[in-house]
Amino acid sequence: KQEVTQIPAALSVPEGENLVLNCSFTDSAIYNLQWFRQDPGKGLTSLLLIQSSQREQTSGRLNASLDKSSGRSTLYIAASQPGDSATYLCAVRPGTSNSGNTPLVFGKGTRLSVIA
Amino acid sequence: DAGVTQSPTHLIKTRGQQVTLRCSPISGHKSVSWYQQVLGQGPQFIFQYYEKEERGRGNFPDRFSARQFPNYSSELNVNALLLGDSALYLCASSLTESWGNTIYFGEGSWLTVV
Repeated sequence: KQEVTQIPAALSVPEGENLVLNCSFTDSAIYNLQWFRQDPGKGLTSLLLIQSSQREQTSGRLNASLDKSSGRSTLYIAASQPGDSATYLCAVRPGTSNSGNTPLVFGKGTRLSVIA
Repeated sequence: DAGVTQSPTHLIKTRGQQVTLRCSPISGHKSVSWYQQVLGQGPQFIFQYYEKEERGRGNFPDRFSARQFPNYSSELNVNALLLGDSALYLCASSLTESWGNTIYFGEGSWLTVV
């Protein structure tokens, strides 16, 4: 059974700092991995999607990497801002083919606070 | 373009009651999934529908049911509510059944069972 772990559970940093959020998964047989942002009481916003054949994806100040063999992904946030404060969730899509019914498996998230 | 829309946004029910949650996917998206998120946890998969057919079901009791309509909107029904059903219910849509597509979530429906 695929399990996703995110460390740390909570993180507080001063504005401007570069930071890394970690995600690990127990089964390397994944189709893709997606990072989401969730503001308090709100839904999920997709940040980056990495296919299993890719090593990293970038969007603005965000960079996500994937090391499938070791079961790890990192989300790098450059020059953090107070507006980045939210919970960041990592989710993997188990399986290796483009078919079948394998829903996303989520971690519990990392709650980030960026202090001005 | 509108994103995934869900209704109601908040509701309170008593134990034993029934609830129906509604979801409209992004225009052109044919796949809808439902997830339950208990406070402090990651979302847990409940159902996936594609072209009005159930394509996947998570580890939830039969009190949970769903359907998808010809316009691709969807409803999630929960019968005989328990206190433990209190959660944020998230609907997500994607273009097709292909798992390579990005999945987009709505704002969710907050259900409180008292």
